[in-house]
Amino acid sequence: NAGVTQTPKFQVLKTGQSMTLQCAQDMNHEYMSWYRQDPGMGLRLIHYSVGAGITDQGEVPNGYNVSRSTTEDFPLRLLSAAPSQTSVYFCASSQIGTSKFVRPQHFGDGTRLSIL
Amino acid sequence: DAKTTQPNSMESNEEEPVHLPCNHSTISGTDYIHWYRQLPSQGPEYVIHGLTSNVNNRMASLAIAEDRKSSTLILHRATLRDAAVYYCILRIPNFGNEKLTFGTGTRLTIIP
Repeated sequence: NAGVTQTPKFQVLKTGQSMTLQCAQDMNHEYMSWYRQDPGMGLRLIHYSVGAGITDQGEVPNGYNVSRSTTEDFPLRLLSAAPSQTSVYFCASSQIGTSKFVRPQHFGDGTRLSIL
Repeated sequence: DAKTTQPNSMESNEEEPVHLPCNHSTISGTDYIHWYRQLPSQGPEYVIHGLTSNVNNRMASLAIAEDRKSSTLILHRATLRDAAVYYCILRIPNFGNEKLTFGTGTRLTIIP
């Protein structure tokens, strides 16, 4: 019953450092995505993937890289951390819907990232 | 994406029903109405979704207006664990487009 697992849960970085946020799911979902949530705001889509080897940009992709080498894993890389990237990051996964059905998304519990 | 409008906050007494409204006056015929909730310090959690007919599941009920311009999420007997931010989201079934557009939602407070 692991679902979507995000690591680490908390991280403090200095400006300019790089790091990778990990996301893994065990439900064989094709679709995976990353959101960020800033105080008082809804979640905003950073990047997403519809399967291994396929990624695309969301609403706020600048400063972030992703890759999808396996169905299970979808890491998010911060190339050079900036204070504006202080946020809570959520990973989500789902089956891909059809022309008639949308699929519920499953979220991890988030990574709380502070950039000093 | 069509927009939704929700009250910023609501309060309800424990063990009483809760009706959370959502207006979506520009909804298209193919938009599904989804509800997610976010408990404190957790990721969003799927609650329920529907297209035209009212829907029930173990967590809640969804009542959809006949003209589909509004809907109401109903928690039949609120518990303290239902205190969360509730998001009403419209989604079009579209292969590969699983994006969720979150607004600021309704913060539900349950009074013991």
